[in-house]
Amino acid sequence: ETGVTQSPTHLIKTRGQQVTLRCSSQSGHNTVSWYQQALGQGPQFIFQYYREEENGRGNFPPRFSGLQFPNYSSELNVNALELDDSALYLCASSTAGTVNTGELFFGEGSRLTVL
Amino acid sequence: AQSVTQPDIHITVSEGASLELRCNYSYGATPYLFWYVQSPGQGLQLLLKYFSGDTLVQGIKGFEAEFKRSQSSFNLRKPSVHWSDAAEYFCALKNTGFQKLVFGTGTRLLVSP
Repeated sequence: ETGVTQSPTHLIKTRGQQVTLRCSSQSGHNTVSWYQQALGQGPQFIFQYYREEENGRGNFPPRFSGLQFPNYSSELNVNALELDDSALYLCASSTAGTVNTGELFFGEGSRLTVL
Repeated sequence: AQSVTQPDIHITVSEGASLELRCNYSYGATPYLFWYVQSPGQGLQLLLKYFSGDTLVQGIKGFEAEFKRSQSSFNLRKPSVHWSDAAEYFCALKNTGFQKLVFGTGTRLLVSP
């Protein structure tokens, strides 16, 4: 049991729509990272939030955006959905100490299907 | 550029047999290296990690991995596989200056009776 919870677990959207995915980090963890895992691929880093600010971003367009709240929970927002956005979106939490060592605690993910 | 290669997409092992999953990395220095496991419907779980020091690291569930700098490899091993080990296994690296993990494409382990 990692303690990282994500919602919703599954959702279906159509092209052009917007989606918000949510993540509650493990107790005591102040850093949240988001990853996209396309079918048959390894997770790819989207961005990371620390103390409510973006603290690193991968190769994703600006229509992927995020927020972190004072309680360290986080949201991932994707605008103008494209078919290629269909994937499992993983949230991972860590502390300032473990983020430096790369030890992340993952949620079970939100499976997004774009039709 | 940093990258991780897992050359085997699928591997089938008989229950009780030994297992070795291959991982090769590309990075200019010694990275932090990890193995994660993903079971169906589950998030990624850390099996073990290598930062420095002893090149043979022990992890959970009886797994171990050996870091070989000369071969840029970090292969995962288990002496006797159990049916519950069937899952997807991901090798990952992190450089010392940035916060992201770079994952390989994964190896799906199937365990036959």
